[in-house]
Amino acid sequence: GESVGLHLPTLSVQEGDNSIINCAYSNSASDYFIWYKQESGKGPQFIIDIRSNMDKRQGQRVTVLLNKTVKHLSLQIAATQPGDSAVYFCAESRGGGSYIPTFGRGTSLIVHP
Amino acid sequence: GAVVSQHPSWVICKSGTSVKIECRSLDFQATTMFWYRQFPKQSLMLMATSNEGSKATYEQGVEKDKFLINHASLTLSTLTVTSAHPEDSSFYICSARDGAGDYGYTFGSGTRLTVV
Repeated sequence: GESVGLHLPTLSVQEGDNSIINCAYSNSASDYFIWYKQESGKGPQFIIDIRSNMDKRQGQRVTVLLNKTVKHLSLQIAATQPGDSAVYFCAESRGGGSYIPTFGRGTSLIVHP
Repeated sequence: GAVVSQHPSWVICKSGTSVKIECRSLDFQATTMFWYRQFPKQSLMLMATSNEGSKATYEQGVEKDKFLINHASLTLSTLTVTSAHPEDSSFYICSARDGAGDYGYTFGSGTRLTVV
């Protein structure tokens, strides 16, 4: 399940399940959005991005959905694997990404074998 | 793809000493690099923008005299934490944009600074 509190929100799933990580962004002028994966002790790693003229984009095992009406972004991971365990951040930017991205709060994904 | 190398990956220093962290773009030139700070279980907070050949731009609340940034070449930016104190202990991450590609900003692997 998902928990939100003073600590980093955590999503726990079983291996093989699909995971959905949600993010609310704040700037209605943002037109470029990125999902990053950060493993413990490492820098963020690009996963997938989407521009505001799209509402869905698919990658390998990942899909990003964008709802500009409610300023909501989600990352779907299909057939989640233990190697997917990490903290996931959404980031928003403007100018097609030419502006420095602003990071969201982050969600810790824990995949149980 | 673009690679940003950060060194060292971790460092322990005594209070009052200074520590230098290097950020290099390995296969592309970066006129602009970015320095972030991340506390445990928190998000990345932008500290400053490093500009090649000119002064860095600091975010509000970041002490420019404490966090010295030098961007001497198109592939190297350094962050020096001067007179470090335990509250400066954090994870420092640099980033650079490798042009107009889909991958946007590439991040270094981070530096864990512990001040004792």
